[in-house]
Amino acid sequence: NAGVTQTPKFQVLKTGQSMTLQCAQDMNHEYMSWYRQDPGMGLRLIHYSVGAGITDQGEVPNGYNVSRSTTEDFPLRLLSAAPSQTSVYFCASRKDSGVILNEQFFGPGTRLTVL
Amino acid sequence: QKEVEQDPGPLSVPEGAIVSLNCTYSNSAFQYFMWYRQYSRKGPELLMYTYSSGNKEDGRFTAQVDKSSKYISLFIRDSQPSDSATYLCVTGTASKLTFGTGTRLQVTL
Repeated sequence: NAGVTQTPKFQVLKTGQSMTLQCAQDMNHEYMSWYRQDPGMGLRLIHYSVGAGITDQGEVPNGYNVSRSTTEDFPLRLLSAAPSQTSVYFCASRKDSGVILNEQFFGPGTRLTVL
Repeated sequence: QKEVEQDPGPLSVPEGAIVSLNCTYSNSAFQYFMWYRQYSRKGPELLMYTYSSGNKEDGRFTAQVDKSSKYISLFIRDSQPSDSATYLCVTGTASKLTFGTGTRLQVTL
């Protein structure tokens, strides 16, 4: 199993550009989520999904869109990049959406810089 | 005030030392407690979890929770250079997890 994979590893954008961060998992996990990690702050939840076709907002959803057309894939779209979106983005998955103590498996992260 | 507070470190200890990593939280509704380890330039990985006050041991690692004082600790015995990482304290309710900022640990030879 590859676990949770993310592409790209690094990205530099100009203000106003759009892009999609890709995330895929091969563990047949029900729950998937996107976090951002900034210096001096804990991981913050952007969006999450409890299954194919179902998504919801997390703590910091503004400026981001998600969709979940398959169990495996959960892309994150930046609509119009802003310097405040410079961050490290992590995708994560866990087996059951309703069991919060289930281990969350994190991808390796995408380092995004917006100029 | 952050809901979960951790000293960012870095905490530097010699190999073989006992390490104590600590975390406080403010929300008495938090009932789940976890420690994640994050190596540099990698995603976090789960170390331990618990949902009750008291101690939970797993090999060289012991997680301790005191709900009355809202205090969480992680002890590492016989620390190794491979333990050098950032340790994230995570707590929350059945619907939401809150991550601490992490404590960076460096174990030196």
